[in-house]
Amino acid sequence: EDQVTQSPEALRLQEGESSSLNCSYTVSGLRGLFWYRQDPGKGPEFLFTLYSAGEEKEKERLKATLTKKESFLHITAPKPEDSATYLCAVQAVIQGAQKLVFGQGTRLTINP
Amino acid sequence: DGGITQSPKYLFRKEGQNVTLSCEQNLNHDAMYWYRQDPGQGLRLIYYSQIVNDFQKGDIAEGYSVSREKKESFPLTVTSAQKNPTAFYLCASSISRATDTQYFGPGTRLTVL
Repeated sequence: EDQVTQSPEALRLQEGESSSLNCSYTVSGLRGLFWYRQDPGKGPEFLFTLYSAGEEKEKERLKATLTKKESFLHITAPKPEDSATYLCAVQAVIQGAQKLVFGQGTRLTINP
Repeated sequence: DGGITQSPKYLFRKEGQNVTLSCEQNLNHDAMYWYRQDPGQGLRLIYYSQIVNDFQKGDIAEGYSVSREKKESFPLTVTSAQKNPTAFYLCASSISRATDTQYFGPGTRLTVL
């Protein structure tokens, strides 16, 4: 079964304490991997798209990387405003159709 | 400003009522989507549309209906046949159905009274 699993479910860090969020997937026919940020009660905000193993993208304190089986979202020296739920989604061809499969998210809290 | 708007932000429904959630985009995107988000679960696809006057069922279409009469608009109706409609509903759009990034609206929270 095609799956996207994010870990940990929740992560609490001190301001300035760097860490990584994981997104592992078991889909075949990967067409792209997406990272979104979602604040409580709001729609997801697009962060990155990765298409091939070895690809990296950066935006401010965030860097996303991709391997053949997983992606990491590295957060360097986070600030309280980085607190949010981070969603990973994989675009794949499933039973002949393009499909976006979402993980359940990692809830990140940065304490000042 | 280009973007996706959803209305209302909060919606309350009585048992047996149909309700319609609005989604409008001015990004000139061809593809539009409806997702449902429940606590602790990933987003699940309800319906999607690749072009005007065409739409396809997603993974959890039962109890929902859509229309796509205009490129900019993709309303979702939650019918009385949907047994557990309380959830956060998200509309998204992309340039096309292929590998393009999906951009999301602000969401509508539906509560059944």
